[in-house]
Parts: sequence; structure tokens; C-alpha cells
Amino acid sequence: DIQMTQSPSFLSASVGERVTLSCRASQNINKYLDWYQQKLGEAPKLLIYNTNNLHTGIPSRFSGSGSGTDYTLTISSLQPEDVATYFCLQRNSWPLTFGSGTKLEIK
Amino acid sequence: QVQLQQSGTELVKPASSVKISCKASGYTFTSNYMHWIRQQPGNGLEWIGWIYPGNGNTKYNQKFDGKATLTADKSSSTAYMQLSSLTSEDSAVYFCARMLTGRYYFDYWGQGVMVTVSS
Repeated sequence: DIQMTQSPSFLSASVGERVTLSCRASQNINKYLDWYQQKLGEAPKLLIYNTNNLHTGIPSRFSGSGSGTDYTLTISSLQPEDVATYFCLQRNSWPLTFGSGTKLEIK
Repeated sequence: QVQLQQSGTELVKPASSVKISCKASGYTFTSNYMHWIRQQPGNGLEWIGWIYPGNGNTKYNQKFDGKATLTADKSSSTAYMQLSSLTSEDSAVYFCARMLTGRYYFDYWGQGVMVTVSS
């Protein structure tokens, strides 16, 4: 199985700050990488698919990049409503595997 | 609009089975994949498997072989997951999620079903 390692596990940042979350795969996943946001008590919500494609209705402050084994989710200007846990998901091979998440809080 | 409505909270005894449902609406149920994902308390997400309701084909994460059985009822646009031989390790929230054919990402999720296994 492909292991997905997210860092950091926890991040505290100020409103308006640029935030970068990382996801590393144990092998090349050919950009089949999605990012999800999960707020407390809710289902995950798709933000980015195929590394850098913004899902419908997602604010443009979210962006994704990466290739090979290393991928990044960037929030250009952190907003209070961005408090959540962020997960990456690889869809390159079965079984699909998620990262363990980055919990993002406002400082 | 697309909706995935899951069944309610379950409290079940060890060694028993439970069947949870995911009723789809707002799109063509039979032409898209339905996936199931588990989230244990305080933990991350694990992919369980998928079913293609149009023909009943399934694919499972090997970890859940023998634990989870996925079925679908085309007449009611409802997907089901049966979990068997339950232990405390199976206590978790279980989500269904649509994967649109040709897009291959999870664009809609159910609200989740909490299953608690306790005597």
C-alpha cells in the first residue's frame, strides 16, 4: 500500500497568513492527489483534485501543487472559517490511502 | 441537487453484524461509483471499497475483506454496507461518497453513520 505522510500534524497560524501543508507519498503517485477539508462533526469536503484543480465553489485562496511523491496545499490568506483538519488522498493505486491529516487552527 | 442520506447511529453488540445505508438522489445512481470510508475516533480516514450499482461490481481494500460487504438496490437508489463479526475496533464513523465516472474523485459525501460496538 502507498503510505501518505502529512506534515505538520498541527499548525497554528494568524488570520491573513499564508499557510502551506505538505503531503508525501511513499512512491510516485503521478499527480493523482486530492485534498479534503473536514470541519468538526462534518463529512470531508473536496478542495483540490488531481494535485492542482480547484473544485467547484472552493475559494481561490486554496491552491495545490506538486509532482512525484511531494505535494502541497497552500492557503494564500488564512480565514477564520478555514479552521479544520486537512487530508490528502492518493488515487494512483489500490487501495486508496489517505494521509493522517493536518489540524489547522487560528493563532 | 446531489444528496447522499445515510442511516442513523447504531449501537451493536460484539460478534454481531450491522447494515448501514446510503440513499442517493439528484443524479444517476447506476452510472457512478459509490465508495465507503471509515473514520475511527480521533483517527484518519481509511478507504473500505466501492460498488458500481449499475452491475453490482465491487472492489475492496484487502484489509476489509470478510469484514465489509457492499450491495446496492437500483430500485431505491440505495447503497448498503454490511459489517460482520463486529469488535470494538469497528467502532467508527462510516461515510459513503460518490465517485463520478470519468472524474474519479469524491465530490459528494454522506453525513456519516456512527457505529458503536459495545456489550
